Amino acid sequence: DTEVTQTPKHLVMGMTNKKSLKCEQHMGHRAMYWYKQKAKKPPELMFVYSYEKLSINESVPSRFSPECPNSSLLNLHLHALQPEDSALYLCASSHQGPEDGPNNEQFFGPGTRLTVL
Amino acid sequence: DAKTTQPNSMESNEEEPVHLPCNHSTISGTDYIHWYRQLPSQGPEYVIHGLTSNVNNRMASLAIAEDRKSSTLILHRATLRDAAVYYCILRDVSSGSRLTFGEGTQLTVNP
Repeated sequence: DTEVTQTPKHLVMGMTNKKSLKCEQHMGHRAMYWYKQKAKKPPELMFVYSYEKLSINESVPSRFSPECPNSSLLNLHLHALQPEDSALYLCASSHQGPEDGPNNEQFFGPGTRLTVL
Repeated sequence: DAKTTQPNSMESNEEEPVHLPCNHSTISGTDYIHWYRQLPSQGPEYVIHGLTSNVNNRMASLAIAEDRKSSTLILHRATLRDAAVYYCILRDVSSGSRLTFGEGTQLTVNP
């Protein structure tokens, strides 16, 4: 299995809702990532979990809360989002964590298209 | 962080080779050169990476200039499926090995 899966594919939520995005990989990868991609823009890194510990938080607002229950799963909990948070949220994984160096590739999921009304 | 410069867009014809350039004049000795691409409505996909020597894999070839200030991604025979945004990214331990995407090159492949 060489896939990163993300659910749901699409999500529409109001500003007062609480929702979660899920990401799963069964490649035995030790690092998992969340990226945000606005329309016609490149992906931007949000969080990195390495060996199930949060290792990078790119100053993301607290209304985004990541969670890594185990080495195969990564969640992104959403609460009190703003319309400008509407974007494609991408999950990725890699065999090694960032602290092991830049000589490894990241595998990306297809993303969750989030719309905040 | 060392930056990369890529053309905004390029066009190619199907079954012809494509050479996608990337300039990185401030590259450091420990920066790896990575290429990813993003097909429409998909997440990015790893293509190839290298440090100093040219690299080949089943998808593409990476030609790195001797002074490492530029590199070229080579698709040997473009297909319609190769139409995507191609990102050239420098990764280094000093920046936490982050994958920092620039604007990339939009490749159009004409039938």
